[in-house]
Amino acid sequence: NAGVTQTPKFQVLKTGQSMTLQCAQDMNHNSMYWYRQDPGMGLRLIYYSASEGTTDKGEVPNGYNVSRLNKREFSLRLESAAPSQTSVYFCASSTGLAATYEQYFGPGTRLTVT
Amino acid sequence: AQKITQTQPGMFVQEKEAVTLDCTYDTSDQSYGLFWYKQPSSGEMIFLIYQGSYDEQNATEGRYSLNFQKARKSANLVISASQLGDSAMYFCAMREPSSGSARQLTFGSGTQLTVLP
Repeated sequence: NAGVTQTPKFQVLKTGQSMTLQCAQDMNHNSMYWYRQDPGMGLRLIYYSASEGTTDKGEVPNGYNVSRLNKREFSLRLESAAPSQTSVYFCASSTGLAATYEQYFGPGTRLTVT
Repeated sequence: AQKITQTQPGMFVQEKEAVTLDCTYDTSDQSYGLFWYKQPSSGEMIFLIYQGSYDEQNATEGRYSLNFQKARKSANLVISASQLGDSAMYFCAMREPSSGSARQLTFGSGTQLTVLP
């Protein structure tokens, strides 16, 4: 089992460029999440998908879009990158949304926007 | 008010000794989950241990145990027999229904643990 995988691991973008971060899980989890981690601010939820076919905004959704392609895959798109989106992005998955379910994280994508 | 408070920005422990990382939390929900994650310098977030609010026994996973004191709202992580590979940032986190429909994890600010040889 690979768990949660993310591509790419590193990316440098110029302001205004677009890109898609890919995430896949092989644990048959229903729920998937995208977080960003900024120094001194902890992890913040960008978007989540409770189950295949649904997506919802999290705490900091502006400037991002998501697609739940199927049960395994959940992608995050930056349409027009801004320096404020420089961060480490983590994808996570869990069995469901219940508070008792742990979330498993991917290795992260380190994104720099210049 | 902070939902998750980790008051130790940095901790040092001698190899083979036990160490306790502190975590207090704030919630008015009755059902919630408490989690500990490890983030080594390589950057990934590794799930370590989970404690449910209704669990009467403290959770244990190998060398990790969670000292859960519900009345004091604390969920301290105890690492026994520390190893050099335990050097990392440790995050306490909570999932609660009132955090929203996502029940997203709310993280503390972390404790940087350094294990000394």
